[in-house]
Amino acid sequence: GESVGLHLPTLSVQEGDNSIINCAYSNSASDYFIWYKQESGKGPQFIIDIRSNMDKRQGQRVTVLLNKTVKHLSLQIAATQPGDSAVYFCAESGAGGTSYGKLTFGQGTILTVHP
Amino acid sequence: DTAVSQTPKYLVTQMGNDKSIKCEQNLGHDTMYWYKQDSKKFLKIMFSYNNKELIINETVPNRFSPKSPDKAHLNLHINSLELGDSAVYFCASSQQGGEKLFFGSGTQLSVL
Repeated sequence: GESVGLHLPTLSVQEGDNSIINCAYSNSASDYFIWYKQESGKGPQFIIDIRSNMDKRQGQRVTVLLNKTVKHLSLQIAATQPGDSAVYFCAESGAGGTSYGKLTFGQGTILTVHP
Repeated sequence: DTAVSQTPKYLVTQMGNDKSIKCEQNLGHDTMYWYKQDSKKFLKIMFSYNNKELIINETVPNRFSPKSPDKAHLNLHINSLELGDSAVYFCASSQQGGEKLFFGSGTQLSVL
């Protein structure tokens, strides 16, 4: 399959379970964080974002948690569905909005949802 | 009604050739980008343009030349293609340099 040889972190869940995908970042000056979903053969698709002045933000079935103390970001997906199967990327940006869209991406996590 | 569209979807070519990838966005955004995704799925910025002006050039070899004829278009021309250029290239756009990027579906470049 597509994931063979990629050696990305993987997460396998059953349909209906909750999923948690984790991301560590290194730049303490980062003030914007974003999660993308990338399905096979497609471009990254925006899921949810959060600024550093918040520690939690909720969307539809998704929640992003930010822990600036340990430089950790997580994406929680409630009631995971087979259509959620994809590679998930976290990305960060810094410098108070002057980065001009220069996102630094994490390595990606492969989420597989079993029916 | 695709927001960010790029062509071609697939590009297979020989080493040493010159090729171009085109990108258009209909979101009314000011800022456009090229990102490269390698075989390990790692995504890295190459260029960003704001209102047709080059803003970011991430030490990309000068064989890569972006061109922005207007703020809705950003094309990427690559001269003297090398094996290591094989990757998926993504165009993206955002509003006024904002960090929420909208990506195209990618161009898979294979250099033989």
